[in-house]
Amino acid sequence: DAKTTQPPSMDCAEGRAANLPCNHSTISGNEYVYWYRQIHSQGPQYIIHGLKNNETNEMASLIITEDRKSSTLILPHATLRDTAVYYCISISGGYNKLIFGAGTRLAVHP
Amino acid sequence: EAGVVQSPRYKIIEKKQPVAFWCNPISGHNTLYWYRQNLGQGPELLIRYENEEAVDDSQLPKDRFSAERLKGVDSTLKIQPAELGDSAVYLCASSSTGDGTDTQYFGPGTRLTVL
Repeated sequence: DAKTTQPPSMDCAEGRAANLPCNHSTISGNEYVYWYRQIHSQGPQYIIHGLKNNETNEMASLIITEDRKSSTLILPHATLRDTAVYYCISISGGYNKLIFGAGTRLAVHP
Repeated sequence: EAGVVQSPRYKIIEKKQPVAFWCNPISGHNTLYWYRQNLGQGPELLIRYENEEAVDDSQLPKDRFSAERLKGVDSTLKIQPAELGDSAVYLCASSSTGDGTDTQYFGPGTRLTVL
């Protein structure tokens, strides 16, 4: 599975869009990009995943570059409850071992 | 729909004592995972079950850790005897199939403190 690289921390003002980048330059053609987040003292929460196309759900949007070497998770209107550690993970079909890195600690402030 | 249920939420024991954690996955989910999360780090997989079968236990310290999923539904993870370094959060997750693209859903975890 490809290794992912994320900034260790980011800040965002409440109500603004939070754009969390992830580099996965060694990703292979059959590897998906998954995003989870972990709010303090809770288990990881699934957010979104994608392969090639951009994806959107009720929580967030996922933008994957055309060469698939990087992606951005977008929280369109961040709230204080979005303060968490966000994990970007690449995983290939048929191999379901999530390998978590250190993630990005997002702090949303008033 | 109920999520993954884990108990207890917190456990404090003295070293060399045994401890057990219980997990009930989302109804209908055949695949169950146990992860361990040390302070300040991401979760690491310990064992994965497909129904009753442990299909990946390569990261499980087998000298003191054991797990079972007898009826292919709920699961128990045991440590005997516990060591100071076992202090961590133990997370259970489940997915409907074992396919790598299948989303894993996590429980709230059990925070173990070994004194």
